[in-house]
Amino acid sequence: DADVTQTPRNRITKTGKRIMLECSQTKGHDRMYWYRQDPGLGLRLIYYSFDVKDINKGEISDGYSVSRQAQAKFSLSLESAIPNQTALYFCATSDATVEEEKLFFGSGTQLSVL
Amino acid sequence: LAKTTQPISMDSYEGQEVNITCSHNNIATNDYITWYQQFPSQGPRFIIQGYKTKVTNEVASLFIPADRKSSTLSLPRVSLSDTAVYYCLVGPLYGQNFVFGPGTRLSVLP
Repeated sequence: DADVTQTPRNRITKTGKRIMLECSQTKGHDRMYWYRQDPGLGLRLIYYSFDVKDINKGEISDGYSVSRQAQAKFSLSLESAIPNQTALYFCATSDATVEEEKLFFGSGTQLSVL
Repeated sequence: LAKTTQPISMDSYEGQEVNITCSHNNIATNDYITWYQQFPSQGPRFIIQGYKTKVTNEVASLFIPADRKSSTLSLPRVSLSDTAVYYCLVGPLYGQNFVFGPGTRLSVLP
């Protein structure tokens, strides 16, 4: 979804480096999410935030941290990258109405940790 | 959150109707059923969401029996471009931390 922008699109880093992945959205949604996807597998939830003051751990939060700087911005950090954090990372937002709630995803960041 | 079970993979031919079934035996009263489609190297895309009976939109239909312990995503007259992974998610609105399983890999053959 073009309204959910992830930067960078690709990143190669070395073990032990700190790295930040950024996500910004123009949809005006309160809820934002970070997922990782490994080849051939489904998406696993890292962190999610239901508003600026709310941060929640997902199923695989160890080794990651997040910052919700504003409604539109949600950053994911790897404090000390390790090779098994090599994956495709997706940011998403969600919009809930009375009848429906759906996720909108960014284009992803391919991260390689050497 | 209710656990879901889907077939790992399915094959179909162009022009056929494809039905992908998802089992969710421990679905809760306030849970909704949502399906997403994912192409390689792209984020998933919302297809359809429903609570009971039948929901239809411009791309798919969702059939939910009365006991709600399963659901079926129906894709009419698939084309090669429908080759993708399809995920079934179950959970409540307003507070659902969406959890994706491995999904169903659909291959549409010419």
